Amino acid sequence: GQQLNQSPQSMFIQEGEDVSMNCTSSSIFNTWLWYKQEPGEGPVLLIALYKAGELTSNGRLTAQFGITRKDSFLNISASIPSDVGIYFCAGQINAGGTSYGKLTFGQGTILTVHP
Amino acid sequence: KAGVTQTPRYLIKTRGQQVTLSCSPISGHRSVSWYQQTPGQGLQFLFEYFSETQRNKGNFPGRFSGRQFSNSRSEMNVSTLELGDSALYLCASSLTSGGLLSSYNEQFFGPGTRLTVL
Repeated sequence: GQQLNQSPQSMFIQEGEDVSMNCTSSSIFNTWLWYKQEPGEGPVLLIALYKAGELTSNGRLTAQFGITRKDSFLNISASIPSDVGIYFCAGQINAGGTSYGKLTFGQGTILTVHP
Repeated sequence: KAGVTQTPRYLIKTRGQQVTLSCSPISGHRSVSWYQQTPGQGLQFLFEYFSETQRNKGNFPGRFSGRQFSNSRSEMNVSTLELGDSALYLCASSLTSGGLLSSYNEQFFGPGTRLTVL
């Protein structure tokens, strides 16, 4: 099925470094979301974006909704060991019909932070 | 308030059997969506329920089915299990789904049920 192209697939960084990851799609979405998943758990919502061009922060996390509505990025500043996990982008079309409830996910970015 | 709960957390079945997974949404949430997560295919949408009605379905065979009860709790069933059905099955709930762009559509996930088919 349709998937978002998320990159990079994995990152190994030192504590304190900044991290950037992004997602692109061939289709337009009108909501972009970023989730984090830790082992044995379901994805946890980090940031939701609803408007093209929107830039939203949540603590050390900043995400932007691309102007074309076909991409989004997530930045993590000053990484810490507890940032370790898999980060997923997800797009949603909020137009009813075949879009009800359906999130389309990227393949995930595995983040490892070395103390 | 309590999050999304899923039972059981782990399940081992053999090929040909059937399985039923349960999901209790966050109190007040009326939309429940189900996803399958595998290393090869990632997170794939299965179906969505709202007010006991299936409103959307992903590209999965008819062996995958679900239902929602009047209290918004949902179950999904997989019949005639195949080895490839081994996966983490995730349930997510939201206040609403579709329509206006709103935080009401934001989906919150449960911890998942890890199904292993032998």
